[in-house]
Amino acid sequence: NAGVTQTPKFQVLKTGQSMTLQCAQDMNHNSMYWYRQDPGMGLRLIYYSASEGTTDKGEVPNGYNVSRLNKREFSLRLESAAPSQTSVYFCASSEALAGITDTQYFGPGTRLTVL
Amino acid sequence: KQEVTQIPAALSVPEGENLVLNCSFTDSAIYNLQWFRQDPGKGLTSLLLIQSSQREQTSGRLNASLDKSSGRSTLYIAASQPGDSATYLCAVSPFSGGYNKLIFGAGTRLAVHP
Repeated sequence: NAGVTQTPKFQVLKTGQSMTLQCAQDMNHNSMYWYRQDPGMGLRLIYYSASEGTTDKGEVPNGYNVSRLNKREFSLRLESAAPSQTSVYFCASSEALAGITDTQYFGPGTRLTVL
Repeated sequence: KQEVTQIPAALSVPEGENLVLNCSFTDSAIYNLQWFRQDPGKGLTSLLLIQSSQREQTSGRLNASLDKSSGRSTLYIAASQPGDSATYLCAVSPFSGGYNKLIFGAGTRLAVHP
């Protein structure tokens, strides 16, 4: 049982390049989330998916797109990377049955640098 | 707009001390409050989750309290150990955000020295 896994662990991009961050969970969770963490700030929600086939914007969605490929996988895409997107990106999942708030489980993060 | 503040930003204590980390939030309309631990270069690990109807939760040497009306939570760590060194984050799940959408504080970086 690996929990939440993320690839890659580190990535360096040039401005304007694109890339996709991958996330998978093996806990049969319904909801999945993408956050970014910047120095001196708390984590901020980029996008989330309450269930397979649905996605919604969080606090800071601009410049990102997501895909909930199936119940296990939730990817985050940067179409044209900018230096302001340099950050550590975390994926999380939770069981999140309807009407119930519960614990989120986090992956180890992807450290992204945009030059 | 919900804002979460954690004080102090950093804390250094000798081993064995009992300590309190503080978290405040601006809007009391929340589903729950959670405390997480983050080790350097790692993801977050959930420590305690307090539902809005609860006043406190305990796990081992950790005790978290919630005073929703005053917008405050504290995390009490008893008999601190070097292994407790990490960043501690609190997060609230606000009514306005929908279920399970968390708003995080910036964290308290704790160092426990032998």
